[in-house]
Amino acid sequence: QQQVKQSPQSLIVQKGGISIINCAYENTAFDYFPWYQQFPGKGPALLIAIRPDVSEKKEGRFTISFNKSAKQFSLHIMDSQPGDSATYFCAASIERGSTLGRLYFGRGTQLTVWP
Amino acid sequence: GAVVSQHPSWVICKSGTSVKIECRSLDFQATTMFWYRQFPKQSLMLMATSNEGSKATYEQGVEKDKFLINHASLTLSTLTVTSAHPEDSSFYICSAHGTGENIQYFGAGTRLSVL
Repeated sequence: QQQVKQSPQSLIVQKGGISIINCAYENTAFDYFPWYQQFPGKGPALLIAIRPDVSEKKEGRFTISFNKSAKQFSLHIMDSQPGDSATYFCAASIERGSTLGRLYFGRGTQLTVWP
Repeated sequence: GAVVSQHPSWVICKSGTSVKIECRSLDFQATTMFWYRQFPKQSLMLMATSNEGSKATYEQGVEKDKFLINHASLTLSTLTVTSAHPEDSSFYICSAHGTGENIQYFGAGTRLSVL
């Protein structure tokens, strides 16, 4: 059973546009929601993460919006660039004290930004 | 950020041989490491969780006798694919986090091709 559902599977955006990727979860015990960016042949790299005590977090062109009641969170990439073309994974985890627990990944979104 | 080194990045082996993949945390002590498998255009599938000094915890459906994991020190975990077969060909990725860290750092991955 997929603990974290991610959509869309693929996304094509014009350069300068906004890319939006959505994720939903069921387990209300999740309290840590990171987004990872992966380029072909490379391991995932942490992009940005949020905890449920805030509804939005912004780092540069990347913003996470979090809706606790709807159990949904999304990644917004503003002013999308061709260099942003990659696969994006949302994930969720239960933090136990200072130790990060297992990550449950979404299926991934392949983003293509056309110049 | 912290660095996780994974070696080798690509390995080709004959069917029936064993292959060892190393995962090292270069600038921090990793109390827990995770091993993932990823098929093309798919998400990361957790294989096992490795804690330093204890036996790894394998996910359901992962053969512990085929995928041997050793986490003998706080900076090194190894995954050995024993008696590899063509169906074991995949992209294997490790991740690590240290005490007090709430971030998982991923290695660059190892592409295994079994002929």
